[in-house]
Amino acid sequence: AQSVTQLGSHVSVSEGALVLLRCNYSSSVPPYLFWYVQYPNQGLQLLLKYTSAATLVKGINGFEAEFKKSETSFHLTKPSAHMSDAAEYFCAVSDPASGGYQKVTFGIGTKLQVIP
Amino acid sequence: KAGVTQTPRYLIKTRGQQVTLSCSPISGHRSVSWYQQTPGQGLQFLFEYFSETQRNKGNFPGRFSGRQFSNSRSEMNVSTLELGDSALYLCASSQQTGEETQYFGPGTRLLVL
Repeated sequence: AQSVTQLGSHVSVSEGALVLLRCNYSSSVPPYLFWYVQYPNQGLQLLLKYTSAATLVKGINGFEAEFKKSETSFHLTKPSAHMSDAAEYFCAVSDPASGGYQKVTFGIGTKLQVIP
Repeated sequence: KAGVTQTPRYLIKTRGQQVTLSCSPISGHRSVSWYQQTPGQGLQFLFEYFSETQRNKGNFPGRFSGRQFSNSRSEMNVSTLELGDSALYLCASSQQTGEETQYFGPGTRLLVL
């Protein structure tokens, strides 16, 4: 069975500071990994995805994540936080061999607060 | 292209009633998946439809059902509503089943009183 653990349900950073949102996964096979962002009263928007190509994945809005197999991690980072980054972020994992995306498992989410 | 649309955006029902939610995928997308989002359980997969057939199903009771039409639009139905069904219901579409990139709609927020 696959699972993801997001460390910290709430994270606060100052505007201009580094954003680091942590995600650890558990999967019996090399997984697909995703980060999504959800703004209030909106659906999820894909930030980036790892599908066994480059381990450092660049996404939209200046975010990137690095797949580290030895640490079973896929942490999301952004060098400089902007007020518009305030949202909830979800890490997700899927087993490519299971028929793909529809078997995706989401983390519980991390709410990012950006302090001016 | 227009994004995924969901109607209605907000809904209030009472226990025991039934509800139908609608999702229109992005034009050309044939796969539609439904998710339930609650503060306690997070995002949970309900089911996926592709070419009018249910392809995958999550761990939800039979009160939750869905269907897909020939134009790929999908409906989700919940019968005999319970208080615990209060949630944000999200629909996501992709071009093909098993495709790793899904596009989510804004969701329907259901409140059961």
